[in-house]
Amino acid sequence: GDSVTQMEGPVTLSEEAFLTINCTYTATGYPSLFWYVQYPGEGLQLLLKATKADDKGSNKGFEATYRKETTSFHLEKGSAQVSDSAVYFCALSITGFQKLVFGTGTRLLVSP
Amino acid sequence: NAGVTQTPKFQVLKTGQSMTLQCAQDMNHNSMYWYRQDPGMGLRLIYYSASEGTTDKGEVPNGYNVSRLNKREFSLRLESAAPSQTSVYFCASSEWGAGRDNEQFFGPGTRLTVL
Repeated sequence: GDSVTQMEGPVTLSEEAFLTINCTYTATGYPSLFWYVQYPGEGLQLLLKATKADDKGSNKGFEATYRKETTSFHLEKGSAQVSDSAVYFCALSITGFQKLVFGTGTRLLVSP
Repeated sequence: NAGVTQTPKFQVLKTGQSMTLQCAQDMNHNSMYWYRQDPGMGLRLIYYSASEGTTDKGEVPNGYNVSRLNKREFSLRLESAAPSQTSVYFCASSEWGAGRDNEQFFGPGTRLTVL
């Protein structure tokens, strides 16, 4: 079945370090891919998305490129900030199917 | 626009008690969803509603019932709460349909503890 695999957390970084959180997927159709972020005590917010191969989603300094050949959608940011500390979820949806499939989430901790 | 709202924010129940979690959205979306979030397990879909008047089971529906009251509101009911239902519950909505990517918008969550 369709699934999303994320790197185990927590990921701990120093402020201004390069940030990367890995996400790979398995899908039978042609998925759209999403990154959601969850700050402590809050719901999930869409961070960025990409709907077809080679698309790059970007928002708030974060980027992720839809790589069909490696079935990946890794999240990157050039300079992490303390305010980026949160849980990040990778997810996919298949065209024509209603459900979102989520990864288990990766907790990111950025220290000053 | 308030987006997706949920009530209550926190709830403590005793085993066997019942309660209803409320969800409303003001984005005129056709589809709504209930998820639960447990440590290390990500989000799991409990029930969803593709449109007003329809509901379908998700991954973990046992112990829950839902009602799509109208286009705006989608409630989740626990008839006889169990400690295994201690979790954070999220409601979401989307404008799902042909050619759309099913981007979902989430509420702030209800933190439920069952003693």
